[in-house]
Amino acid sequence: GENVEQHPSTLSVQEGDSAVIKCTYSDSASNYFPWYKQELGKGPQLIIDIRSNVGEKKDQRIAVTLNKTAKHFSLHITETQPEDSAVYFCAASIRETSGSRLTFGEGTQLTVNP
Amino acid sequence: KAGVTQTPRYLIKTRGQQVTLSCSPISGHRSVSWYQQTPGQGLQFLFEYFSETQRNKGNFPGRFSGRQFSNSRSEMNVSTLELGDSALYLCASSRTDRDTQYFGPGTRLTVL
Repeated sequence: GENVEQHPSTLSVQEGDSAVIKCTYSDSASNYFPWYKQELGKGPQLIIDIRSNVGEKKDQRIAVTLNKTAKHFSLHITETQPEDSAVYFCAASIRETSGSRLTFGEGTQLTVNP
Repeated sequence: KAGVTQTPRYLIKTRGQQVTLSCSPISGHRSVSWYQQTPGQGLQFLFEYFSETQRNKGNFPGRFSGRQFSNSRSEMNVSTLELGDSALYLCASSRTDRDTQYFGPGTRLTVL
């Protein structure tokens, strides 16, 4: 089955700096890659997603890039703010055969220091 | 539009008991998926229901089961609870089984 690896497990940045989180996946058939943010005591919240027919997607300070050949995708957060501090998860799925089933990475604890 | 709701939010049970967790999806969403989140194993897929049919099942023992009702609300049941079942159980809903999933706040289950 699909396996998703996520790095780093912890990331500490200064407010205003950029943060990059990287994920690799094993199944070349995967075609949907969402990113979720989870704050303490809450469920994961979708922040951005990308499908395999797109190489990059941007939403204000957040961007995701996808390299299908290398089977990796990355989350980029620019101008980080303290409220960006949370655990971030990447995920992958094969829409046609796996339905809603998501395989998640291990998570990255992002800390933005004021 | 109201988000995904899960009840109860917290639950304490003892080994050997059984438990039922409930999930109400976003209005209009017909697909509901369940995930188990633990510090050691991370987020793991349990099962998915779409239009009252189980579409996918993760690698969990038969003690874990679920169902979906005609109004798309879903329940999951864990029988003969073990200490290792202590986890945050998350429900996610999507419009169809191929759309973006939105998660609820989860039910924190503690097994003593």
